[in-house]
Formats: sequence, structure tokens, C-alpha cells
Amino acid sequence: GAGVSQSPSNKVTEKGKDVELRCDPISGHTALYWYRQSLGQGLEFLIYFQGNSAPDKSGLPSDRFSAERTGGSVSTLTIQRTQQEDSAVYLCASSVAGGSWEQFFGPGTRLTVL
Amino acid sequence: GQNIDQPTEMTATEGAIVQINCTYQTSGFNGLFWYQQHAGEAPTFLSYNVLDGLEEKGRFSSFLSRSKGYSYLLLKELQMKDSASYLCAVRGIKAAGNKLTFGGGTRVLVKP
Repeated sequence: GAGVSQSPSNKVTEKGKDVELRCDPISGHTALYWYRQSLGQGLEFLIYFQGNSAPDKSGLPSDRFSAERTGGSVSTLTIQRTQQEDSAVYLCASSVAGGSWEQFFGPGTRLTVL
Repeated sequence: GQNIDQPTEMTATEGAIVQINCTYQTSGFNGLFWYQQHAGEAPTFLSYNVLDGLEEKGRFSSFLSRSKGYSYLLLKELQMKDSASYLCAVRGIKAAGNKLTFGGGTRVLVKP
């Protein structure tokens, strides 16, 4: 595909359950970012991957959150023991390394924790 | 750290001009982005400024003053489809991973 894709588009889960969110970046983009957006708010940085470098995890809100990127392409964001405050839209973006580092966003996954 | 401020909401009339201001205080600066986000959709790129001055792209223009920590997005000849949130984002230095720090977004409502 031409753009960043994310799955699922919507996820409803019960408090305490684990969830996995997937991101497929644009082919050839070596940088990948995860953000969280609560209703009516701006984007909150979570984690950043660039090539083979160690990821920048400085935005992860707690140790319940983790992410991995396999083969320098697909990424999975995992939230363990979900809480109601985790409800938000989780956006993934990718960019080439260089120039303006313009980020292209996926459609997001809307997570609702009941 | 980064701190980015922009107004929460603005209302304007179709055909008019609206200017959305963004001020920032950052520990490192390597460019400023404006994104448009329609409700329920992903942000889409509008503009990028790394040097002082005005960048014009059709009906949209963006201005940057690095010394003042200030940018604005100017939307001219407003159309109903311009009703959206506009996000100001600052890119950090390379050592910080080039990640973006976003403001809270400005919701623009265009009225007929």
C-alpha cells in the first residue's frame, strides 16, 4: 500500500486485558513513531524507532506499555493490564531519515477500555 | 523539554482569512510543522519551516520567527472543508531522535 496502515481500526477491551496494536509503515521509511491522542487533545509522543538504533522509549507512560519493531518494518504496540485511562486513539507515523523528516500518519486505532 | 501553545478554538466565515498562532519554548529546535486533522482522521502535512520567514503554498502560508519562538499558519479564502483541527509541532534536535512535540491543536470552525 501507499500509506501507513494500522490494525485494528477499533478495539474495545475490558479493563485488565492486554491489547496489541499493529502498524505497517510506508515501505522504505526507516523511522517509525507511536503517538497517543485523547479526545480533543494534541498528540502525545510514546516511542520512536530509527533503523537498528535502540528505540527512544521516553514517552511511554508506564511499564505496561511496550513496543517492538521486527525486521525494521512492522511495529506492534502492546498495552498490558489495560486501564480506562488508556482509552485513546493510537497513531503510528513513519518517515524517511533525512531532509525535513516529514511524518506520514496512519489512520489510527481507537482503543476503548471498559 | 518542549512547551507549545496554540489557541483552542477559532471561528471564521467562509471566504475570510484566519491566522492561527503558535508559540514554543524548546530545549532544541530543528523545524516546525503544521498538520491538518479532520475529525476522526489522521493528521496530514501542511507545511514545514526551518528558517525564518514566510512559506506560501496556495491558500495556506506559514511563518516562523526562531528568535521569538513563534509561528503562525494563515488560511486564506476559507472554505467549509477547512473546518478541522490544526496542529503545530516542533521537531527536536537529532540527538532527541527528530521526534515531534505537538501543541494541543486549534479547532477551526468555518461558518457560511
